[in-house]
Amino acid sequence: NAGVTQTPKFQVLKTGQSMTLQCAQDMNHEYMSWYRQDPGMGLRLIHYSVGAGITDQGEVPNGYNVSRSTTEDFPLRLLSAAPSQTSVYFCASRSSGGPSDTQYFGPGTRLTVL
Amino acid sequence: DAKTTQPTSMDCAEGRAANLPCNHSTISGNEYVYWYRQIHSQGPQYIIHGLKNNETNEMASLIITEDRKSSTLILPHATLRDTAVYYCIVGINTNAGKSTFGDGTTLTVKP
Repeated sequence: NAGVTQTPKFQVLKTGQSMTLQCAQDMNHEYMSWYRQDPGMGLRLIHYSVGAGITDQGEVPNGYNVSRSTTEDFPLRLLSAAPSQTSVYFCASRSSGGPSDTQYFGPGTRLTVL
Repeated sequence: DAKTTQPTSMDCAEGRAANLPCNHSTISGNEYVYWYRQIHSQGPQYIIHGLKNNETNEMASLIITEDRKSSTLILPHATLRDTAVYYCIVGINTNAGKSTFGDGTTLTVKP
């Protein structure tokens, strides 16, 4: 299993540009989440999904959209990039089982907005 | 989910036990304690979790106080590769993986 994969690894955008961060998992996990991590800070939840077709907002959803058309994929869209969105973005997944089903994280996408 | 409090940083000598504390005084009866770590900006990695009993796995031990208001993660023989940020998270894991990560404890293992 590849686990959780994210593309691209690095991205530089100009203010106002849009782009999609890709996230895929091959573990047939129901739950997927997007986090951002600013320098020296912990992770903050952006959006999450409990299954295909179902998404909800986390702590910091403004400026981001998500959709979940398949179990495997959970893309994150930046609508109009701003310098405040410069961060490292992590995608995570877990199965829908009980408390022993922990989260698996991808390697991250490092985004810089100029 | 309950809020957690962790020290900002700790040092540990290589080969010694590293004891990382976490306060979670508002934890409710059905909330678990989870520990993750993040090595040098990689994605966080699960370490261990527990409800009220002490737990041990190949990576670490978790000691939860009887009142469940605090816990300690123990790395029995810390190595340089254990240098990382350690996150203590409390919550009901059935909440769709929407864990709230604080700033964690930066553990530095020194030779």
